[in-house]
Amino acid sequence: ILNVEQSPQSLHVQEGDSTNFTCSFPSSNFYALHWYRWETAKSPEALFVMTLNGDEKKKGRISATLNTKEGYSYLYIKGSQPEDSATYLCALCPYNTDKLIFGTGTRLQVFP
Amino acid sequence: KAGVTQTPRYLIKTRGQQVTLSCSPISGHRSVSWYQQTPGQGLQFLFEYFSETQRNKGNFPGRFSGRQFSNSRSEMNVSTLELGDSALYLCASRTVDSTDTQYFGPGTRLTVL
Repeated sequence: ILNVEQSPQSLHVQEGDSTNFTCSFPSSNFYALHWYRWETAKSPEALFVMTLNGDEKKKGRISATLNTKEGYSYLYIKGSQPEDSATYLCALCPYNTDKLIFGTGTRLQVFP
Repeated sequence: KAGVTQTPRYLIKTRGQQVTLSCSPISGHRSVSWYQQTPGQGLQFLFEYFSETQRNKGNFPGRFSGRQFSNSRSEMNVSTLELGDSALYLCASRTVDSTDTQYFGPGTRLTVL
């Protein structure tokens, strides 16, 4: 069973700080890695789908990189804002199945 | 385009009862997946339906079942409810496969008393 780990579990930063968190996985045998942002009382919102080693994606102040050889993906938020407060989830889809396996997430809180 | 909708949003049941949850995917999406979120746990995959067929199944007991209709709407059924089934149940839809973006609904909060 593929184990997806995210670190840290939670993070508190000041408005304006840049931050990053990690999604780690033991194997490169997967179709895709997904990043989601989940605000309280809302639906998880898709941020990125990454498929290739070296992939880099960007959406506004948020960007992500994928390193399948070393088994991690980073999510970066530049100049955090209070509205970035949410849980950030990564999920993998292994080759031998088409289901998404989620990590337990990183809970980010940005203080004004 | 309308998003993924789930009904009902909240549900209270007692142990031993059964429950049916409904999910309407985004128009044109043929894949619907169901997930369970409990306190302290990440999103746990239940099953996925594609073109009315169960394509993948997670590690849940047979009390959890589902189906998909020809219009891609999906239902999830839990029989003989247990206290531990109290959770947020999310469904998600996507066009075809795992490299596609998956869109989540708002979830159904099930409480079992």
